[in-house]
Amino acid sequence: GENVEQHPSTLSVQEGDSAVIKCTYSDSASNYFPWYKQELGKRPQLIIDIRSNVGEKKDQRIAVTLNKTAKHFSLHITETQPEDSAVYFCAAIQGAQKLVFGQGTRLTINP
Amino acid sequence: KAGVTQTPRYLIKTRGQQVTLSCSPISGHRSVSWYQQTPGQGLQFLFEYFSETQRNKGNFPGRFSGRQFSNSRSEMNVSTLELGDSALYLCASSFRNPGQGSGELFFGEGSRLTVL
Repeated sequence: GENVEQHPSTLSVQEGDSAVIKCTYSDSASNYFPWYKQELGKRPQLIIDIRSNVGEKKDQRIAVTLNKTAKHFSLHITETQPEDSAVYFCAAIQGAQKLVFGQGTRLTINP
Repeated sequence: KAGVTQTPRYLIKTRGQQVTLSCSPISGHRSVSWYQQTPGQGLQFLFEYFSETQRNKGNFPGRFSGRQFSNSRSEMNVSTLELGDSALYLCASSFRNPGQGSGELFFGEGSRLTVL
C-alpha cells in the first residue's frame, strides 16, 4: 500500500519569506496528490492538487511540483502572510485506493 | 449548500464503552470516508464507503466499524473503547467514485472523543 512521508514536521518563517514542504510517496502507481490546509480548530480544506500527468501547478502564491521519477512532491508558498499559519497535509492516492495523508507540517509565520 | 455535518461534536466516554458517530455528507456526494486525527499522527484513514458498500479500509482493529445508509449518511462505531481511542474523528464526503478517479474531500468539523 501507499506510504507518504512529509517533512518538516514544523516550519517557522518570517512574514514575506517563502516556505517549502516536501513529501515522498512509495507507490509509483499513485496519480493524484492533493494538499490540505487545516487552520487551528477548523476542518482541513483543499488548497491545491496535482495529477501525475503534470509537473507543476500554480495558484496565486502557492504552487506544487511533482517529480514522478523520484516519487516526491512539494508545496511552495511565496510571500507568506500571517493567515498562512496552519497545519498542511500532503496526500497521495492511486486509483481506487484510499487517500493516504502525510503526518502534517505545522507552519508558523512570524511577523 | 449545506456542508458535511457530524454529530455529536464532543463526547466523553469511559473505557469499555462503545460510541457511535454520525456523518451527513454534502447533498449529492455518495462517497464518505472517515479519518482519525491525533497530535503527531496526522490523519489516519479508517474506511471509505460508496453506495452503502465499504470500498477501502485502513489499518485499525475490528473494534472500529462503519456503515453507510441509502441516503449516503454514514455512521462509525467504536466498541470496547480504549484510552488511545481519544481523538478527533473526521468525516469527509466527495463526488469521488472509487475506481473512477479522485476528487476533493470536503471535511466535517469532526467529533472529538475523549475516553477516560
